[in-house]
Amino acid sequence: QLQLQESGPGLVKPSETLSLTCTVSGGSISSSSYYWGWIRQPPGKGLEWIGNIFYSGSTHYNPSLKSRVTISVETSKNQFSLKLSSVTAADTAVYYCARRRSYFYYMDVWGKGTTVTVSS
Amino acid sequence: QSALTQPRSVSGSPGQSVTISCTGTSSDVGAYNFVSWYQQHPGKVPKLLISDVSKRPSGVPDRFSGSKSGNTASLTISGLQADDEADYYCCSYAGNSILVFGGGTKLTVL
Repeated sequence: QLQLQESGPGLVKPSETLSLTCTVSGGSISSSSYYWGWIRQPPGKGLEWIGNIFYSGSTHYNPSLKSRVTISVETSKNQFSLKLSSVTAADTAVYYCARRRSYFYYMDVWGKGTTVTVSS
Repeated sequence: QSALTQPRSVSGSPGQSVTISCTGTSSDVGAYNFVSWYQQHPGKVPKLLISDVSKRPSGVPDRFSGSKSGNTASLTISGLQADDEADYYCCSYAGNSILVFGGGTKLTVL
C-alpha cells in the first residue's frame, strides 16, 4: 500500500527557506501514472495547493507562490522535496504531500502532514 | 486564481440531506469536469470523497454524491450521520495544470 511521509524542520526563521521532503514507500515515484504534489493548511484555515512534479522533473506551481517555490524530485531515493523561500508568519501551516493521477486532477493518497512554524 | 467559494457552514439533522455548493468561474469549475471533494475531520488528513465531479472512489458510501451546473459544483450528503460532521473542501482544475481549492465548509450534524 502506497504511503507518503513528510519530513523536515518544524521551525523556520522569518526570511529563511523552508525545506521539506516527502518519502514515497510501497510504490515507485518514477511511474508515469502519477504526479507528486504539496498542499498546505494554515492553522484554522483552508487548503491551498502549492504545486506538483512529475518524475521527469516537470513542475507546476500555484501562481501566487511561484516566485518563492521550488519542487524537486530525487528518483533514486523515491523522494520529492519542497523549498519555499523568504518565509513569513503567513507560511506557518501544516504541509501535506500527496499523489495525483496523470491526466486527472484529484489527490488520492496523502501524507499525514507536518507542521511548520515560522518564528524567530 | 482565486479560491472557489463555499458556504462557511451548513447543518442538518441525522437522516436528513445537505448540499454544499462550490462556486467558481468559467475558467475553472465551469470549464472542466475536474472537480473533486475532500472530507477532513478535525486534526486529520483530508480524504478524497468525489473525483471528476461525480465519481466516488472505492469505499466511499453512495450517500455522498457530486454534481455540477455551470460554474457551481455541489456535494450532497444524504442520510446524514454523526460521523459526517467535518470540514469539506472542493477543488477544481483551473487550466495550465493548476489546481484551486475552495475555502471549506464546516458541516454540523445537529
